Amino acid sequence: GAGVSQSPRYKVTKRGQDVALRCDPISGHVSLYWYRQALGQGPEFLTYFNYEAQQDKSGLPNDRFSAERPEGSISTLTIQRTEQRDSAMYRCASSSGRDQETQYFGPGTRLLVL
Amino acid sequence: GQNIDQPTEMTATEGAIVQINCTYQTSGFNGLFWYQQHAGEAPTFLSYNVLDGLEEKGRFSSFLSRSKGYSYLLLKELQMKDSASYLCAVTDSNYQLIWGAGTKLIIKP
Repeated sequence: GAGVSQSPRYKVTKRGQDVALRCDPISGHVSLYWYRQALGQGPEFLTYFNYEAQQDKSGLPNDRFSAERPEGSISTLTIQRTEQRDSAMYRCASSSGRDQETQYFGPGTRLLVL
Repeated sequence: GQNIDQPTEMTATEGAIVQINCTYQTSGFNGLFWYQQHAGEAPTFLSYNVLDGLEEKGRFSSFLSRSKGYSYLLLKELQMKDSASYLCAVTDSNYQLIWGAGTKLIIKP
């Protein structure tokens, strides 16, 4: 596609449910990043991939959060047993993997845990 | 620790010039980015600096001094549509982007 896409755009779930957030990066982009962004704050790094390999997951808040990118393209961020504090905007970005590493962001998924 | 500092909010007048400063302390440096983010939207790339000096791109310019750990974004001929948050981000030695909290720019007519 022309840009990074994410689905769903909005997700409302009950506490304790699992959710899966999807990111479809720009075609051919090597690197894919997951962020969480609170209102009025910059993006908070969660994890990133080069191709299918998860390079850094140090930003994942706890073991309820996981991510995968099995074929080096689409990625899924999964949150198990959601809690109210997980409510946030989750953003995905991709980059070509070449020198400049400019990241291009998707529209985000707004998650609300009731 | 790693830290990016930028003012929380600035106000400027339509048609004027505004400079948004960013200072950083990071483990290594591999480039500095400025992004624009309108309310409720995704951040969009504005500029990239890796060498000292000024990079000009239309109404927007970005300056970097690596020795001072300092950058600024200069916006000229301000338009109402420039009202947005401006995010400074630095690539550290591990090529991870460290983000500032952003500067909310309010343009008044």
